[in-house]
Amino acid sequence: NAGVTQTPKFQVLKTGQSMTLQCAQDMNHNSMYWYRQDPGMGLRLIYYSASEGTTDKGEVPNGYNVSRLNKREFSLRLESAAPSQTSVYFCASSEASGLRTNEKLFFGSGTQLSVL
Amino acid sequence: RKEVEQDPGPFNVPEGATVAFNCTYSNSASQSFFWYRQDCRKEPKLLMSVYSSGNEDGRFTAQLNRASQYISLLIRDSKLSDSATYLCVVNTLYGNKLVFGAGTILRVKS
Repeated sequence: NAGVTQTPKFQVLKTGQSMTLQCAQDMNHNSMYWYRQDPGMGLRLIYYSASEGTTDKGEVPNGYNVSRLNKREFSLRLESAAPSQTSVYFCASSEASGLRTNEKLFFGSGTQLSVL
Repeated sequence: RKEVEQDPGPFNVPEGATVAFNCTYSNSASQSFFWYRQDCRKEPKLLMSVYSSGNEDGRFTAQLNRASQYISLLIRDSKLSDSATYLCVVNTLYGNKLVFGAGTILRVKS
């Protein structure tokens, strides 16, 4: 079982460059999420998608865009990378949909991004 | 005040010890509570949900105190393999919004 697959695992960007982080899940989950994790801070929600075709801002959406391409895939795009976006990014999915309380989150293995 | 607060530790304990972590949350409307475990440079994984009546899974016991707005995790007979960061996670009823604590580091030593 692949679960949640995200790519790439590591990336180094220069300030101003753009890139897209890819995420796919094979568990037929409704909800997908992008988090960032910084030292000394909890995971912070960037964007989430409660169902195919919908996306919503999380706690720290500035500088990011997302696309829920289909039920399986949820990508995160940095249009003009900044050093403040240096972080570890995790994609996650869950069965939850609509207003249901979140159930278990399944995480991808993370992307370590450095912006110089 | 942070929505979810944890003592960052590290908690350094010998094998076989019992150790407990607390986590406080600020939103009294919070409905669901979880403990996740995160190994170094790995993704978080669900350790256990926390139910109102308290629940146990082997050596792990989770408790919820709504009046004081905290949850706890007790680990008995600590193993070297328990060394990890333990993340407290809280959800409100609406909005699919999970709030993560910064985590508590546990180091179990032989």
